[in-house]
Amino acid sequence: DAKTTQPPSMDCAEGRAANLPCNHSTISGNEYVYWYRQIHSQGPQYIIHGLKNNETNEMASLIITEDRKSSTLILPHATLRDTAVYYCIVRIDYKLSFGAGTTVTVRA
Amino acid sequence: AAGVIQSPRHLIKEKRETATLKCYPIPRHDTVYWYQQGPGQDPQFLISFYEKMQSDKGSIPDRFSAQQFSDYHSELNMSSLELGDSALYFCASSLSGQFYGYTFGSGTRLTVV
Repeated sequence: DAKTTQPPSMDCAEGRAANLPCNHSTISGNEYVYWYRQIHSQGPQYIIHGLKNNETNEMASLIITEDRKSSTLILPHATLRDTAVYYCIVRIDYKLSFGAGTTVTVRA
Repeated sequence: AAGVIQSPRHLIKEKRETATLKCYPIPRHDTVYWYQQGPGQDPQFLISFYEKMQSDKGSIPDRFSAQQFSDYHSELNMSSLELGDSALYFCASSLSGQFYGYTFGSGTRLTVV
């Protein structure tokens, strides 16, 4: 799986958008970008995934650069319940490999 | 909606004992994955099963074994437990051919004393 690089932590104000960057410069053409989050000691939760095009669902938006070397997860209106560790994962097969994610703290 | 069920939620064992963790996937899901998450660490892939056959293997110790049964539930068997085996163990399930994310269970917290 391609290696990903995320900032170790970031803060966000409640109600504001949270933009989480991820670098995956060694991604290959058929590897998907996945985002998961883990709220303290709970099972990781799927957020969104994409290959080339930008994606949006009820939880978040995923923006992938044209060269696919980086992506940004956008939480449009962060709430306190969005405080979690966010993982950016790229994969080609069915196995997910978690690296060091970004600890996002949403502050009131 | 039905989720992935793991049992037990908490387990305390002594060193050198054995432990069995169970995972019941979402109905119709045919693939099960096991992950281990030590204190302050990220989840690490252990092993996966598709249609009752091992499909992939990660950093699973030789002391651990797992299987998937005909009803698709899976069990992770851990023998000769060590203090370092204390961790959260997560199971996830998915339906093969669907490339969106897995669904994880709430985990089993194993404490070895």
